Amino acid sequence: EPEVTQTPSHQVTQMGQEVILRCVPISNHLYFYWYRQILGQKVEFLVSFYNNEISEKSEIFDDQFSVERPDGSNFTLKIRSTKLEDSAMYFCASNLQGAISEAFFGQGTRLTVV
Amino acid sequence: KNEVEQSPQNLTAQEGEFITINCSYSVGISALHWLQQHPGGGIVSLFMLSSGKKKHGRLIATINIQEKHSSLHITASHPRDSAVYICAADSGGGADGLTFGKGTHLIIQP
Repeated sequence: EPEVTQTPSHQVTQMGQEVILRCVPISNHLYFYWYRQILGQKVEFLVSFYNNEISEKSEIFDDQFSVERPDGSNFTLKIRSTKLEDSAMYFCASNLQGAISEAFFGQGTRLTVV
Repeated sequence: KNEVEQSPQNLTAQEGEFITINCSYSVGISALHWLQQHPGGGIVSLFMLSSGKKKHGRLIATINIQEKHSSLHITASHPRDSAVYICAADSGGGADGLTFGKGTHLIIQP
């Protein structure tokens, strides 16, 4: 069964450093998302990406965040100058048609900022 | 902005019991997703529904669009059903992403 894969599964970084979280969505999917889950809290929407550009972003997705689809398979989330409060589980998701389309999630990347 | 509320927050039951988890949302939606999150953190999609009822094995999901309410039922519960169950609303055309509830932490005791 096709799946969304994320790497790394766990990343530890020092405050102020840049990190790149990587995702390989399901190959024929058209919509891509990043979500964040701070420990003990609910999952929150960060950004959606369609047709090689950002479709929507939440207020969380400020200038320190960026997304890119550098080739036909990878979808990355970059966090510049990480802060302690960026520590969270980051989930990538994809689906075929956007609305009314089953969401497929990766296993997540646990980011720890120290 | 859609507000998604789930109840109960925590539920402990005995193996074999019938389980119901409720979800309500404040704004009309295009679809409602039920997701399962295991202790390792990964999220798995269980159902996506926009009307009526869906069944998969021992899991049943229903939605009442007029009342803005959905339920997830587990029949003949088993300890392996222990997980966090999350409902998430799709309010728009897909670009807005999902709005998640806080989840229901379910423990099924043998």
